[in-house]
Order: sequence, then structure tokens, then C-alpha cells
Amino acid sequence: QKEVEQNSGPLSVPEGAIASLNCTYSDRGSQSFFWYRQYSGKSPELIMSIYSNGDKEDGRFTAQLNKASQYVSLLIRDSQPSDSATYLCAVNVGSGNTGKLIFGQGTTLQVKP
Amino acid sequence: NAGVMQNPRHLVRRRGQEARLRCSPMKGHSHVYWYRQLPEEGLKFMVYLQKENIIDESGMPKERFSAEFPKEGPSILRIQQVVRGDSAAYFCASSPTQGAGETQYFGPGTRLLVL
Repeated sequence: QKEVEQNSGPLSVPEGAIASLNCTYSDRGSQSFFWYRQYSGKSPELIMSIYSNGDKEDGRFTAQLNKASQYVSLLIRDSQPSDSATYLCAVNVGSGNTGKLIFGQGTTLQVKP
Repeated sequence: NAGVMQNPRHLVRRRGQEARLRCSPMKGHSHVYWYRQLPEEGLKFMVYLQKENIIDESGMPKERFSAEFPKEGPSILRIQQVVRGDSAAYFCASSPTQGAGETQYFGPGTRLLVL
């Protein structure tokens, strides 16, 4: 079982729709969760971080965390063509404070005008 | 406030040569992480360093790869005797302090091509 799993997609949504991206992780001791966006040929860019169960909203983005289910998601409201990118879920695994991030394979999002 | 800087942005090497990748963290950041992204694959952790110390190198290949973060100057990821399988994007990230909750900010990456 992979430590962090994402559906590779592509996930295709029409412009203006809600895009829902999902991620599961295997280490119950994980405390910190991050969503990064990566455009083709570019470096990862932080979208959201979340540490507590529940929802965290920032503009059009909402991160949701459920530690009991070991599940974290990212919702993008009013999707725009510029949101088309690969979204990476990252988890700090283990009980130590090394800060090492484990990334999922990424989900490719395509927003069609 | 300059972000994480990496150079070179692109590096071409022939098999058997050495590759040196440099990373300067964001101002005020003293923690550096190196990740590798192979074509069509996800980001994989390689090594975590603080000034003059390697904290976690669990993701580094045992041979040919080394990393340092000296008291002065950038962090260096060194790959000796490169092989074609080393072709990848190498990203450096930095954070201000240690800890599981700290956000890591990524540099633009170095794209290594081994001929």
C-alpha cells in the first residue's frame, strides 16, 4: 500500500463547476497535510495546508480533513481554465518532526471552457 | 523577498560525469529539503539538511549521491558518475523552522538530462 494515494485522473470539469480532488494516507500518526499545485514544467506551489479535522477555506479553495478515515480532499469552486494543473497531496508522515513530506502521484485536473 | 533559488535551471551531463546542483533557501530559512521528480512520477523525498548537518537522508540512494549545507553558501546536491536514470527534475524546498507543520516552499528546480 502506498503511503499517500491519489487518483491520477485526468479529472475533467467544465468551467464554473466544482472540482473535487481526493487523497488517502496510510500513517495514522500523520499530523500535517498540504495541497500543492504544479503546472507542467514548473515547481510545486502551495495551495493549502490543514492540520485539524474539518474544513478550511481560502478563497475558491476548501481543504477537508478526516483523520479517522485517513482522508483529505481539496474542493475548487468556480473552476477556471487556469486551474488546469496537477494537484499534489503531501503528508508529513511518522512521529518525528523531520518535516519530510510524502507526496501522492498527483491528480491532473482539466477545466474546459 | 527572494524565494528559493536553484541553479543551474538546466544541466546536461554525459554518463560518468558529475552533476552539482545548488540551492539557496529563502531568507530566514535554515532548513533545506531535496526532492526528485522522475518523468511521469511523483515527488520523492531525498534528504533534509540544516546548516552543517544532515538530519534525514533516508531517501538518498546509497551510492553516488551526497548532499551538504555548509555554514556559508548554498546547499549542494552532488551526483557522481551520473547514469541515464538520474535524468529528472530536482527540487529544493526550504522552511523557516523544523517541524511537521512547517510549510515548505519550493524552488524552480534543476532539470538534469544525462546523455
